[in-house]
Amino acid sequence: EIVMTQSPATLSVSLGESATLSCRASQSVGNNLAWYQQKPGHAPRLLVYGASSRATGIPARFSGSGSGSEFILTISSLQSEDFGIYYCQHYNHWRKTFGPGTKVDIK
Amino acid sequence: QVQLQESGPGLVKPSGTLSLTCAVSGVSISSPNWWTWVRQSPGKGLEWVGEIYHGGTTYYNPSLESRITISVDKSKNQFSLNLSSVTAADSAVYYCARQFHGFHSWGQGTLVTVSS
Repeated sequence: EIVMTQSPATLSVSLGESATLSCRASQSVGNNLAWYQQKPGHAPRLLVYGASSRATGIPARFSGSGSGSEFILTISSLQSEDFGIYYCQHYNHWRKTFGPGTKVDIK
Repeated sequence: QVQLQESGPGLVKPSGTLSLTCAVSGVSISSPNWWTWVRQSPGKGLEWVGEIYHGGTTYYNPSLESRITISVDKSKNQFSLNLSSVTAADSAVYYCARQFHGFHSWGQGTLVTVSS
């Protein structure tokens, strides 16, 4: 099983500032990595797939980077609607796994 | 626009079988996607449960493999999850999703509680 880890567990960011979220895989997943945002009571929403491709309708302030086992999601100029929990997930193997999440709250 | 909608009982007795259906609209279930179930226990993270391709190929989470069946009904454009011998640990919000390089479309989720 490929284990996904995320850091930090919680991130407090002021409006307009940028946020950097990290995700690490226990072995290489190539660029088969996706990022999701989840708000309370809602299903996750796909933000990025293929490590760096934005999903349909996702604002340009969300950007993904990395390959292999180290990945970054950057949210530039944080907006109030960007609070929530962010999960990374690999799909390099039939057994998909998610990271534990990073909670982003507004400072 | 692709839409998915879960349905099924919200309460299942211990040792019983959890049965959920995901109705798909806006895309044929025979299109090149994997149709997936993901669950989330209260206050916890996301857990991949299993998935099926329209041709019938399935992959299951090894922790559930002895209890799980996922099937497709092409005539109704839907897919289903059956999880047997449930315990309280199976209580969760269950989501169905369309997967093609990431989970691009999700249902709203349905809460299933295992309790007598």
